[in-house]
Amino acid sequence: AQTVTQSQPEMSVQEAETVTLSCTYDTSESDYYLFWYKQPPSRQMILVIRQEAYKQQNATENRFSVNFQKAAKSFSLKISDSQLGDAAMYFCAYMDGSEKLVFGKGTKLTVNP
Amino acid sequence: SAVISQKPSRDICQRGTSLTIQCQVDSQVTMMFWYRQQPGQSLTLIATANQGSEATYESGFVIDKFPISRPNLTFSTLTVSNMSPEDSSIYLCSVEDSRRITEAFFGQGTRLTVV
Repeated sequence: AQTVTQSQPEMSVQEAETVTLSCTYDTSESDYYLFWYKQPPSRQMILVIRQEAYKQQNATENRFSVNFQKAAKSFSLKISDSQLGDAAMYFCAYMDGSEKLVFGKGTKLTVNP
Repeated sequence: SAVISQKPSRDICQRGTSLTIQCQVDSQVTMMFWYRQQPGQSLTLIATANQGSEATYESGFVIDKFPISRPNLTFSTLTVSNMSPEDSSIYLCSVEDSRRITEAFFGQGTRLTVV
């Protein structure tokens, strides 16, 4: 079964600084998708960024970028110029042809002013 | 993107009773999913609901406890039956439509407290 591991239960960053959240996964599939979701206290799950496994180029969305290492099965999220509104739980997630999402345990990000 | 309305947003229920959670989508979608998020935990898939067929349950979840309906392509319900305090969680509805883009959209969740 596919698994997703987030080894950092909590992280903190100073406002305007950069932080990297780690994620590793295990799968025998060659075609899959990886996601980072943000869950603020409102409970709404918000898609931050998505990566297709067949694409070698790392995905970027404004201040958010990923470091996708397919051979190492690693998918880290970098947040640049951190803002107070970035404070939330961040979940790494995996999806393959089953179209089911498998989530990691999450990383709580605190942004200090 | 899909807009999902989930009701109720929160509820406090007595043990032994049942609660039905509704999920309404503003567009027709093929697959709908129900997740449970226990306090301080990650999301765990309960079941997949496709229109016109019975829901497919994940290991550890059974239809008698979590009956699901999917009467059409825009609506689904999840019932939490015979509740106990261990059922206190956030329940989230999610939809995907891979014909357009492989992305999951979530409702705002239902925070259930069983006393």
